[in-house]
Formats: sequence, C-alpha cells, structure tokens
Amino acid sequence: KNEVEQSPQNLTAQEGEFITINCSYSVGISALHWLQQHPGGGIVSLFMLSSGKKKHGRLIATINIQEKHSSLHITASHPRDSAVYICAVRPSGSRLTFGEGTQLTVNP
Amino acid sequence: DTAVSQTPKYLVTQMGNDKSIKCEQNLGHDTMYWYKQDSKKFLKIMFSYNNKELIINETVPNRFSPKSPDKAHLNLHINSLELGDSAVYFCASSQDRLNIQYFGAGTRLSVL
Repeated sequence: KNEVEQSPQNLTAQEGEFITINCSYSVGISALHWLQQHPGGGIVSLFMLSSGKKKHGRLIATINIQEKHSSLHITASHPRDSAVYICAVRPSGSRLTFGEGTQLTVNP
Repeated sequence: DTAVSQTPKYLVTQMGNDKSIKCEQNLGHDTMYWYKQDSKKFLKIMFSYNNKELIINETVPNRFSPKSPDKAHLNLHINSLELGDSAVYFCASSQDRLNIQYFGAGTRLSVL
C-alpha cells in the first residue's frame, strides 16, 4: 500500500462542473503538494500547504492534518483543466512521496 | 526564459551505452532534484543536492551518477544503459529543501 493514495484514479466531467480530487496519506508530514501534469508531460506545482486552505483562481486546496487528508477542488471546470493531478507529501526533510495521480478529463 | 531547463528532451539509445542528461536552473535556488517517472506515470525521487552537496540518494543503481558542478546545475550520467532505464526523467529545483519545487519539461529516455 502506498503512503499516498489518491481517488479517483480517473475522472471525467462536463465543462462547468465542480470537481474534487482526494488525497489520503498514512505518515506524519510537514507539507503536502498538489502538482499538475499536462498532456504534453510538463509538471507544474499548484499548491504547497501544511494547514487550512489555499485558493488560486478556480483552484482550491484544503488539508486536514488530523485526518491525514487533502482535497483539490476545481470550480467551473474547463477542458483546459484536463491533466493528471498529483498529490505529494513531505514527511521530513526535502524528500517528496508521490501519489499515483488522478487523470482528469473535462469534456466540452 | 525557462526557469528549469533539461536537455535533451528526447534521448534514444542502445543498451550498454553511456548517456548524460543536463539540467540547469536560473532561479537562484539552492536545492535541485532528479525524479524518474515510469510507464505507469509514478514519480520517484532519485537524488537531491543542496548547494552542490548530495542530500538524498535513493536506492538507484550505481550506474546512475549525479554531478553538480555548481548550484545552478545538476547533471545525470547513466552508464551501461538497460532496457528498464526507459522512462521520463524530471529535474526540479526549489529555493531550499522545504519550498515548492519547479520542474523541468522532462527527458524521455528510450533504451532499445
């Protein structure tokens, strides 16, 4: 069992829908990252958070340290949001442990 | 200007060859990383350097040797390439060990 589990593995939505991707982890962490991997392969860091909630545009990330759980929300989804979303945790130091990713497809 | 740049973008080579992948960052970051993404798209840390010093060395074969001539560069040299080395290799950097990481575009290595 991975230290980081994401759900769902695959998600298909219609444009405009509200999307939630979940991440659960089994170790104590100092921070959690959400990354986006584009269809072309490039990886972009979306958020790094250790408590509470962060918002950037239509993206919202929340974390509950006690429950070892984080969610990434996308409001008013758009086909250009189609990508793989990856959760990664930092137990200590600088090493990141990655989830397997959630493939999101947003249809027009 | 690209913040974290890797070269080459694609690398096709025969088994047994030696190859290098270069990575440069112009962000002034202290920490750099190499990751391997396998065919299942799973990312795993390989190495991390902080100010030219090795701080993470995961269980990778000795055939992989990172080299950091200065803190803006972290190159990856691979000896005696094997079929299982085929993957996408990502370089990344961060301001320090605890900050958000910025990724290069990846190098797709195919070993034939």
